[in-house]
Amino acid sequence: GAVVSQHPSRVICKSGTSVKIECRSLDFQATTMFWYRQFPKQSLMLMATSNEGSKATYEQGVEKDKFLINHASLTLSTLTVTSAHPEDSSFYICSAESPGLAGGLTEQFFGPGTRLTVL
Amino acid sequence: QKEVEQNSGPLSVPEGAIASLNCTYSDRGSQSFFWYRQYSGKSPELIMSIYSNGDKEDGRFTAQLNKASQYVSLLIRDSQPSDSATYLCAVVNDYKLSFGAGTTVTVRA
Repeated sequence: GAVVSQHPSRVICKSGTSVKIECRSLDFQATTMFWYRQFPKQSLMLMATSNEGSKATYEQGVEKDKFLINHASLTLSTLTVTSAHPEDSSFYICSAESPGLAGGLTEQFFGPGTRLTVL
Repeated sequence: QKEVEQNSGPLSVPEGAIASLNCTYSDRGSQSFFWYRQYSGKSPELIMSIYSNGDKEDGRFTAQLNKASQYVSLLIRDSQPSDSATYLCAVVNDYKLSFGAGTTVTVRA
C-alpha cells in the first residue's frame, strides 16, 4: 500500500503555544489529504479535507482559525494547532488518497499519527 | 442516527477460531467500503476494501457486502493473537470516510 508519514510522532507543548504537524505522501502524489482527530476510546473524527492549491474544507464544529491547514504541494499537508489548550490534547492522524483505482475509486492510507499533549 | 454502526464489542475468540464482525450503514448511495485494523496507540491500517456485492477474500480475511441490506461484514479465519486489535468499518459518504465506533477483538491463545 501507499506510504504516508507524519512528523512529529509525539509533541508536548505549553498552553497557548502553536504546534505544526506535517503529513507527507512518500511514494505517490495526493491531491487530497484528510485530517482526523481521535480521543481515547473513540473512533476517528474527520476535522477537515485538504486539497492541494486550495483552501481546506472544515467539518462542522471545527474552528478553521484554530486549526490551520496548508496543502502547498502534492506530497505535503500541514496542520497547525494555534493557541493550543489542554482540551486540544488528542491523537491527530492524517490520511492521503491514493491514485484512482479502476472506476475512479480511491483508497485512503493513514499516517502513523501525532500524539499531542498540551500542558 | 449514526451513519455507520458496528456490532458492539469486545469480541473474544480462541486462537484458530473465526472472528465475525458486522457493520451497517445508512447512506444507500454509498459505493466504497473499507475495513481498517487499529492497534492500541497506532493509526488505522487498511486491510480490506470492497465495492461490489458478494465476497472478497484476501488471505485469512473475507469481506462481504450486501448493498440491498446496507450491510458489510468481515470474517477473520484462523484467528491469531496478532489479530487482537480494534477493527473499524468505514464507508465513503460524499467523498469522505465515515467510521464506525469500532469493534475490539481479543484472540485468546
